[in-house]
Amino acid sequence: GAGVSQSPSNKVTEKGKDVELRCDPISGHTALYWYRQSLGQGLEFLIYFQGNSAPDKSGLPSDRFSAERTGGSVSTLTIQRTQQEDSAVYLCASSFSGRGEQYFGPGTRLTVT
Amino acid sequence: EDQVTQSPEALRLQEGESSSLNCSYTVSGLRGLFWYRQDPGKGPEFLFTLYSAGEEKEKERLKATLTKKESFLHITAPKPEDSATYLCAVLITGGTSYGKLTFGQGTILTVHP
Repeated sequence: GAGVSQSPSNKVTEKGKDVELRCDPISGHTALYWYRQSLGQGLEFLIYFQGNSAPDKSGLPSDRFSAERTGGSVSTLTIQRTQQEDSAVYLCASSFSGRGEQYFGPGTRLTVT
Repeated sequence: EDQVTQSPEALRLQEGESSSLNCSYTVSGLRGLFWYRQDPGKGPEFLFTLYSAGEEKEKERLKATLTKKESFLHITAPKPEDSATYLCAVLITGGTSYGKLTFGQGTILTVHP
């Protein structure tokens, strides 16, 4: 079946602009996660959605970052007023229940110039 | 603080030369330990989940084991196509981030023909 998909695959933006990154999880998966992967930082948790519960936003690095999940499926991660330190690969993952293995998408490589 | 440490950072093997990767963890309570494989430019690919000490899982040339303090990923007679970054991650009990994975920094494996 179809895996997790993300778009765009690459995004180059100027410092100060807003960007939106999209994630389509595996059909039927109730849990959705966003992570960030930077050189030297490893994979860093950002936010977690589980069903209709309030999202766990504890990993968002600043209030410039926000995410929403519409209809329990597609999610959008928004970064406002981008900074150079936001340059990274943003990975989305989904899982069946939030307690088992997470399946990752291919990521969006964000470059802020 | 929950911590996951992988060693070595990089490992170079000759084809057929078996070895092991280590993942040691210090967490308040372990719900699961996960191994992923990541190829350059791609998202992590799920390999194994281990839930309790003494558990073992196998897939082709890979075997994962778990103790109360660490996990090993054993690679038997590796081939060049096994070259990748291997990531270890833990899911912890309780806390405020119920669903997030905490990742190690990864081991970069290179298998020479």
